[in-house]
Order: sequence, then C-alpha cells, then structure tokens
Amino acid sequence: EAQVTQNPRYLITVTGKKLTVTCSQNMNHEYMSWYRQDPGLGLRQIYYSMNVEVTDKGDVPEGYKVSRKEKRNFPLILESPSPNQTSLYFCASSIGTGTRTQYFGPGTRLLVL
Amino acid sequence: AQKVTQAQTEISVVEKEDVTLDCVYETRDTTYYLFWYKQPPSGELVFLIRRNSFDEQNEISGRYSWNFQKSTSSFNFTITASQVVDSAVYFCALSEWGGANNLFFGTGTRLTVIP
Repeated sequence: EAQVTQNPRYLITVTGKKLTVTCSQNMNHEYMSWYRQDPGLGLRQIYYSMNVEVTDKGDVPEGYKVSRKEKRNFPLILESPSPNQTSLYFCASSIGTGTRTQYFGPGTRLLVL
Repeated sequence: AQKVTQAQTEISVVEKEDVTLDCVYETRDTTYYLFWYKQPPSGELVFLIRRNSFDEQNEISGRYSWNFQKSTSSFNFTITASQVVDSAVYFCALSEWGGANNLFFGTGTRLTVIP
C-alpha cells in the first residue's frame, strides 16, 4: 500500500531532551516536507527536501533540523525541544516539485513539558 | 506574498443540508495550484482535489463540487446533502508554480453535521 508513515504517533517529552520523529514513504517520491499544525494557524511548513541531500527551510524552521540521506526517509530532529514546539506534526511527500499533490502521513502529536 | 483565507471558522448544518465552504486566496503568480484537504476527527489529512490556475472549470465528484473563480480569487467547496461522515476540518491550500512545491494553508473550517 502506498503510504507515508511517521513514528512515533504520540510523544511526551521534557524541555531540552533531543528527539527524532521519523518519516518514511514507499512511493519513490522525490519531494518530502514537514509541517506543523497549531490551532488557529493552520499548517505551516518547517522544512522541505527536493531530493536526497537537498533540504531547505520552510516558514518556521527555528528549533528544527532535518536530513535526507535516503530518498524514502526524512527525519525531523528537535535538538532541544521547548514547550512552544508542542504541536501536531505532519510529514508529506510528492512525486516531485512543479506543484505535485502532496500526500500526508498520519501525524505525530508532540507534547513538550 | 501568498495567503489563503478561510473566513468561516466553524459551520454546523443538519444532515442532508447543503453547505459551502469559502476559500479566498492571494498570490502574485499567474500560475498556481489550489487544493482542498479534509481532516476527519481521526486526525489524518486526506487530499480531495487539486486545480490549476488556467483551468476554471467547475468540478463535481459525487456530493462534492468545487467552484473556482479567478476574478474573485476564490475556490469554494460545496457539499450537497451533507452526511455525518462529512464532519471534519477542511483546509484550502495554495501552491505556486516554479516554487519549491510549498503548500500555504488556510486556517481551516470545522464542519459539524448534526444528525
């Protein structure tokens, strides 16, 4: 089944404890991205990657890191999480750039205490 | 700069009523794409439709229809004969051609269909 998977789905952590949210897609998509969803703000892009080893900042990159060493994986790293990073995170992928439709993972709900 | 506005924060309708969700967008690009996504209570984001800026034909898919009007920068979504399963948050989004495929989302409209 073609899909985008994220792990973990739920995570409670404490301020400053490094964490990684994994994202994987099995559709051989070139483009992958991360969004966060907050009440009243919709979804905002954190980082995106147009291909392996090519990443760039979205609208709200502060406090996050990403890497794209393999085409299928695009992990999101919070080196020192803070409470304002409590949010619902979505990974998405699409065939390429040129405004292809993005397909989203199931979401990861993060609470930083 | 690009912007998507969904002025309706919450809408409630009684089952079988028709409902229209509004979406107004801003962009300087002449070529762009518009999307609608559905987020049911389970939380995932489900792609519904993509339209490009040079195709203003309205589209119908079952009980769903979309009205794209470049003259008013609007891309409205109508659900006919609403059902309880339509209860969800609906997001309108914009992506500009030639950019990095970034999606700019509106703040969403929460639709509640009352049985």
